[in-house]
Amino acid sequence: AQKVTQAQTEISVVEKEDVTLDCVYETRDTTYYLFWYKQPPSGELVFLIRRNSFDEQNEISGRYSWNFQKSTSSFNFTITASQVVDSAVYFCALSEATKTSGSRLTFGEGTQLTVNP
Amino acid sequence: DAGVTQSPTHLIKTRGQQVTLRCSPKSGHDTVSWYQQALGQGPQFIFQYYEEEERQRGNFPDRFSGHQFPNYSSELNVNALLLGDSALYLCASSLGGFNQPQHFGDGTRLSIL
Repeated sequence: AQKVTQAQTEISVVEKEDVTLDCVYETRDTTYYLFWYKQPPSGELVFLIRRNSFDEQNEISGRYSWNFQKSTSSFNFTITASQVVDSAVYFCALSEATKTSGSRLTFGEGTQLTVNP
Repeated sequence: DAGVTQSPTHLIKTRGQQVTLRCSPKSGHDTVSWYQQALGQGPQFIFQYYEEEERQRGNFPDRFSGHQFPNYSSELNVNALLLGDSALYLCASSLGGFNQPQHFGDGTRLSIL
């Protein structure tokens, strides 16, 4: 069975600090996909990134970066120079790459990030 | 380019009633998934529809049913509502292939009294 663990329930930082959100996953599949979503107070889940299990290259997009380490089953997310607008709940999610799975997403419990001015 | 739209935004029902939630996928998307998100928790997968058929189902009772129409829009029906059904119901759409990014709507907040 799949499982995603986000051990940090809440994180509070001051603006311009760097912050890393941790994500650890469990799956028996050798092929899978990992995702990060942002959920602002409005409720909509905003897609941030998708990474497949064969691509362990780190990725950077502006102030966002992701560190995928298959050896430790982790897919951590770092925000550099955080801003108040980054305040939201962030979810890590996993899906298996099989036709029978139908792309169902298994989410972690989320990390509430608060960036204070 | 319209994103995923859900209606209604909020809904209040009493125990035992039935409810129907609606979802229009993002333009060009043909797959719709539904998730239930209880307060303070991550979304839980209910089911996914593709080509008007249920492709997969999560661990939800038969009281939860759905439908997908030829225009790819979808409905989620919940019968015999329980207090525990109070949650944010999220609809997500994607383009047919497996593991394509799912794009979410703003959700329907369902409160059961």
